[in-house]
Amino acid sequence: GAVVSQHPSRVICKSGTSVKIECRSLDFQATTMFWYRQFPKQSLMLMATSNEGSKATYEQGVEKDKFLINHASLTLSTLTVTSAHPEDSSFYICSARLRGHYNSPLHFGNGTRLTVT
Amino acid sequence: QQQVKQSPQSLIVQKGGISIINCAYENTAFDYFPWYQQFPGKGPALLIAIRPDVSEKKEGRFTISFNKSAKQFSLHIMDSQPGDSATYFCAAANSGGYQKVTFGIGTKLQVIP
Repeated sequence: GAVVSQHPSRVICKSGTSVKIECRSLDFQATTMFWYRQFPKQSLMLMATSNEGSKATYEQGVEKDKFLINHASLTLSTLTVTSAHPEDSSFYICSARLRGHYNSPLHFGNGTRLTVT
Repeated sequence: QQQVKQSPQSLIVQKGGISIINCAYENTAFDYFPWYQQFPGKGPALLIAIRPDVSEKKEGRFTISFNKSAKQFSLHIMDSQPGDSATYFCAAANSGGYQKVTFGIGTKLQVIP
């Protein structure tokens, strides 16, 4: 089955530093990847839609300059949390859809637990 | 604005019992309704999904019931097992564009022996 790999699974960083999270589709090409954020005991909130070769589309209220998204290839999207603050501590999850299959289900990575101290 | 309303937020069921989780939506443009299962520290995994042209879909012990006129759908887990203990999310999406998925708030299910 389709596998989405996310790295790292956990990261601790100091306030003011930047952190990069990678999302890879291992056995399929993904034109579109989605980045979600999940706070403890809460639902997944879509942050942005990452499109290969073009700028990401951000949801309302998500700072594009703080959460930099790059989708440089059909198998890799990265999310960089810039100048991280403790309130950015959260569980970040990416998902991807098989290229050309707009009605196929999303495949999720296992998430990245970010803790900003 | 919560586009997909899910209840209950927590559920305790005895082993062998039926777990029922309900969801309702507002946006009539939604035409794809997946359910995801999430274990602690893991990403969500697709469990089962339905489109509005059918009223029920069954896969093993998992059944989705869909009521288009009421804009409601539910997940039934038959013969619930302790291994089913997880958080379940209903979701909805439309087929247009990039099909963003909107999630419900989640239901934490605990199946006790």
